[in-house]
Amino acid sequence: AQSVTQLDSHVSVSEGTPVLLRCNYSSSYSPSLFWYVQHPNKGLQLLLKYTSAATLVKGINGFEAEFKKSETSFHLTKPSAHMSDAAEYFCVVRGGGADGLTFGKGTHLIIQP
Amino acid sequence: GAVVSQHPSRVICKSGTSVKIECRSLDFQATTMFWYRQFPKQSLMLMATSNEGSKATYEQGVEKDKFLINHASLTLSTLTVTSAHPEDSSFYICSASRETNEKLFFGSGTQLSVL
Repeated sequence: AQSVTQLDSHVSVSEGTPVLLRCNYSSSYSPSLFWYVQHPNKGLQLLLKYTSAATLVKGINGFEAEFKKSETSFHLTKPSAHMSDAAEYFCVVRGGGADGLTFGKGTHLIIQP
Repeated sequence: GAVVSQHPSRVICKSGTSVKIECRSLDFQATTMFWYRQFPKQSLMLMATSNEGSKATYEQGVEKDKFLINHASLTLSTLTVTSAHPEDSSFYICSASRETNEKLFFGSGTQLSVL
């Protein structure tokens, strides 16, 4: 069994300040972890993924996430928010075995000018 | 929160048969539903977008005659994999939103294995 919890349904930051979107997971196997972004009028876009290689994963648009096994976390960060980052972000886990994908409920990122 | 139910969660079928996967929004009316496919350790690939009462819009490279999508009501979309072959084995997941630009809610996915 696996699960994923996005700890914040909404996050609001000022433009130019750091972004932190939190995600905790549980999995019976060594998981693959993903962050996806959903912009209005568009489908899901993959930001980054962790698949048991380096624990610090760099993605597109300046985002990165660190896999911390001891904390079962995979938080998404960006040093400086941009207005175009305003969107819905989903943390996704896929365990091994026959487990499929499990999506978090999403975090709505708001960027204040 | 909104719930999207996807059924079945796992299906094994013989090559040449057809498989239907259902995606239901349980407590809201879904104007738009999306179907995705994921190969092992790869990202989701959007297959098609379906709007209630109209034909689905397929992404480039997705065979619409093979992957039949029906969105006959505001709470149900179905994906039928016709004449399935082993290369169609994959994880399929649906998502739904109340309005086109609104937040997505995801089904739990269907693992299809074609023998």
